[in-house]
Amino acid sequence: QLQLQESGPGLVKPSETLSLSCTVSGSSITSGYYYWGWLRQPPGKGLEWIGSIHSGGPTNYNPSLKSRVHISIDTSQNQFSLRLTSVTAADTAVYYCARRVVPDIIPGNWFDPWGQGTQVTVSS
Amino acid sequence: DIQMTQSPSSLSASVGDRVTITCRASQTINTYLNWFQHKPGKAPNLLIYAASNLQSGVPSRFSGSGSGTDFTLTISSLHPEDFATYYCQQSFNTPWTFGLGTKVEIK
Repeated sequence: QLQLQESGPGLVKPSETLSLSCTVSGSSITSGYYYWGWLRQPPGKGLEWIGSIHSGGPTNYNPSLKSRVHISIDTSQNQFSLRLTSVTAADTAVYYCARRVVPDIIPGNWFDPWGQGTQVTVSS
Repeated sequence: DIQMTQSPSSLSASVGDRVTITCRASQTINTYLNWFQHKPGKAPNLLIYAASNLQSGVPSRFSGSGSGTDFTLTISSLHPEDFATYYCQQSFNTPWTFGLGTKVEIK
């Protein structure tokens, strides 16, 4: 059974860089045609898609965060990672990693499964 | 960006009730619409993909319908484990966007 688990510091200082990793278990990160993504939910707000990466390298980012975001993948470790630079209090959120399924026939795509999420607080 | 509007934002219901949640997109998204269930401290769980397709392992009391701009998630008979927050999400255009959620609480 495919599982994803986020890891990283729970506290980041303003103006510094937030770095998180997502470890994928139960399947190879290179199998099938999937993207691997990051999403977040600030306190009291809705879910926000941050960006996605394919094991072959292509990435796409939310334009609202694109200038500060970098997502990378390490196929040897079966992991993918998020870097968010110049963080502020507005980046305080629960961060989730998820697989994005892109089917051949059915239109659309969807996130499944998700990790449990990790709380990141931006504060000095 | 495509805006997703859910209603109601919360509702109170009893075990056994039929529950309907609606989601409206700010532009047509065909059937590029997914529904998730989220419980505190847990991973969000995919219920319905492409508007009306039940994800494997999800109970048949959950169903989805709609196309274009208006969509519905129905729980035919509420079970105790269904008390959670439900989100719709469009996959028509990036950035992928979500509704603000509907919290289903115990009456």
